[in-house]
Amino acid sequence: GQSLEQPSEVTAVEGAIVQINCTYQTSGFYGLSWYQQHDGGAPTFLSYNALDGLEETGRFSSFLSRSDSYGYLLLQELQMKDSASYFCAVRDESGDKIIFGKGTRLHILP
Amino acid sequence: ETGVTQSPTHLIKTRGQQVTLRCSSQSGHNTVSWYQQALGQGPQFIFQYYREEENGRGNFPPRFSGLQFPNYSSELNVNALELDDSALYLCASSSGQGSPDTQYFGPGTRLTVL
Repeated sequence: GQSLEQPSEVTAVEGAIVQINCTYQTSGFYGLSWYQQHDGGAPTFLSYNALDGLEETGRFSSFLSRSDSYGYLLLQELQMKDSASYFCAVRDESGDKIIFGKGTRLHILP
Repeated sequence: ETGVTQSPTHLIKTRGQQVTLRCSSQSGHNTVSWYQQALGQGPQFIFQYYREEENGRGNFPPRFSGLQFPNYSSELNVNALELDDSALYLCASSSGQGSPDTQYFGPGTRLTVL
């Protein structure tokens, strides 16, 4: 089966940098995705890592280490609008569905 | 390019009733997935449709069923509603069976079962 672990909550200060970690267990690994969801909104795709290393997209970066079954999402120059829940996700062994973690709620202090 | 749309936005039903939720996929996308999201939890995969065929199913009972139409829009049907079915139902579309990692979500339907 598959499972994902991520912290339930993280708090950071506006303008700072925050890292949200995700560890996963899966019998077949295709890649790690990250989604953002604001309260009352739909999840929005942020990034996808299939290979080890860092992927950068503007203020957001995502890292993957397949040997450690670990990844993280890095948010830089935090803005109040970044307050949201962040989910990591992997495909199941069939590759036909995506399994989401329980999410990390990011609180940003002014 | 039209994004993913869902209807209705909100719905209130009573236990034992049946409900149909609808989703129009993003233009050019032939794969639709349905998720149930309880408050404070991540989306839980219900099933996926690819070119009108069910292409994967999560741990949901048979009273959760679906359809995909030739224009790739989709329906989720839930029979014999239970109180625990109260949740946000999300549909997501993607551009092909080989790339389900990048999914585009609709705004969701908030279902309340009384």
